[in-house]
Amino acid sequence: AQTVTQSQPEMSVQEAETVTLSCTYDTSESDYYLFWYKQPPSRQMILVIRQEAYKQQNATENRFSVNFQKAAKSFSLKISDSQLGDAAMYFCAYRGPGRNNDMRFGAGTRLTVKP
Amino acid sequence: DTGVSQNPRHKITKRGQNVTFRCDPISEHNRLYWYRQTLGQGPEFLTYFQNEAQLEKSRLLSDRFSAERPKGSFSTLEIQRTEQGDSAMYLCASSSSGGGGFNNEQFFGPGTRLTVL
Repeated sequence: AQTVTQSQPEMSVQEAETVTLSCTYDTSESDYYLFWYKQPPSRQMILVIRQEAYKQQNATENRFSVNFQKAAKSFSLKISDSQLGDAAMYFCAYRGPGRNNDMRFGAGTRLTVKP
Repeated sequence: DTGVSQNPRHKITKRGQNVTFRCDPISEHNRLYWYRQTLGQGPEFLTYFQNEAQLEKSRLLSDRFSAERPKGSFSTLEIQRTEQGDSAMYLCASSSSGGGGFNNEQFFGPGTRLTVL
C-alpha cells in the first residue's frame, strides 16, 4: 500500500524568509501524481502545487516550488518569501495511476509564519 | 459555481444516534469522494463515486457507514449508531473524469465536523 510520510509535525518561518517542508512516500508504481495541499484554520483544503512522476522538471507556482527526487521517493515543498497568509496545515498527497484516483495523504505539517 | 458545499458544517450527536451529511459537488463534476480527517491527521479515503455508481469503498467504511449518490449529483453519507470514535471532520471532494492526469484534480468542500458525545 502506498504511504505518505511527513516527518515535520510543525515548522515555523520568519516572514519573507524561505521554508522547506519534507515529504516522502512509498510506492511500487512508476507513474503517479504528487500534490501539496494547504488547509488554513477552519477553511477548506486547496491545492498548492502538483507534480507528475514522469516529469523530471520540478513544478513551480509563483512562490511555491517542489524538489522532486523520484529515486529517493522524496517530494519537498519550498515556500519562498513567506507571507502571513501562508500559515496553515500543509498536506502532501499521493495519487496512483489507477482509475479510481483516491489520494493518500500524509499527517500534515503545521506552518507558522512569524511577523 | 461556488465550489463544493457540505451541510451541515457542524453536527453534535449522542452516541448511538444516526447522522446524515450532504455534499453538493461542483456541478459539472461526475466524480465524488468522501474522506475522514481526525485531529492532527491527514484525510483518509472512505469511498468514491463516478456518477451514481459507488466504485470503491475503503476498509475504514464499516457496516455502520453508507453513502449514496442517487442521481449522480449530490451525495449523502450516513453513519448509524454513532460511536465516539466516529468524531472527525468528514470531507467531500469532486472532480471531473475527462482527460486523465491532472484534468481530474479534486476540489474539496469545507467539511462537516462531527462530535459524538
